[in-house]
Amino acid sequence: DGGITQSPKYLFRKEGQNVTLSCEQNLNHDAMYWYRQDPGQGLRLIYYSQIVNDFQKGDIAEGYSVSREKKESFPLTVTSAQKNPTAFYLCASSIRTNGNQPQHFGDGTRLSIL
Amino acid sequence: SQQGEEDPQALSIQEGENATMNCSYKTSINNLQWYRQNSGRGLVHLILIRSNEREKHSGRLRVTLDTSKKSSSLLITASRAADTASYFCATGGNAGGTSYGKLTFGQGTILTVHP
Repeated sequence: DGGITQSPKYLFRKEGQNVTLSCEQNLNHDAMYWYRQDPGQGLRLIYYSQIVNDFQKGDIAEGYSVSREKKESFPLTVTSAQKNPTAFYLCASSIRTNGNQPQHFGDGTRLSIL
Repeated sequence: SQQGEEDPQALSIQEGENATMNCSYKTSINNLQWYRQNSGRGLVHLILIRSNEREKHSGRLRVTLDTSKKSSSLLITASRAADTASYFCATGGNAGGTSYGKLTFGQGTILTVHP
């Protein structure tokens, strides 16, 4: 079954701690995305990657970092510089990054502060 | 800032009724997409309509696009309790624009269908 797997489903962060959210896809898609969703709001783009070893900042990249060393994987690190990290994080992929393709989403990671 | 704005923010109907959700946007687009999100889950793509199309159907879904008014609507006919979810529109920008290559999502409409 092709799809996107996000882990863990729930994550707790202590003050001053960096945490990494995993996103893996087996759809053979070139493009991958990270979004943040706050309660009652739409999705805001954090980072996106069009191809391996390349990524661009989205609208709210401050306090986050990513890597794209493999086509299948696009992990997101929430650093201690992100002062309000509590949110639902969604990873997505599409065949290409031209905005003309549907995006396929994982089931999200809910991050909370301890 | 959000490109798309959905209206209404929440919609409550009875099973069997039709549900209509609207989306307005500000800048020129290449396409507009509708997604569905069940509580606590990821988004699921429903339908994509290109800027040169006016209407598209998929099963019980009907999407219209009016580029002159910068608006779209999603109609779900003969709704079921299982249609209860949040629905989002997302716009894809034109080549050369700052939004090209990305989707910009609205804030969503929460649809509740009562059995």
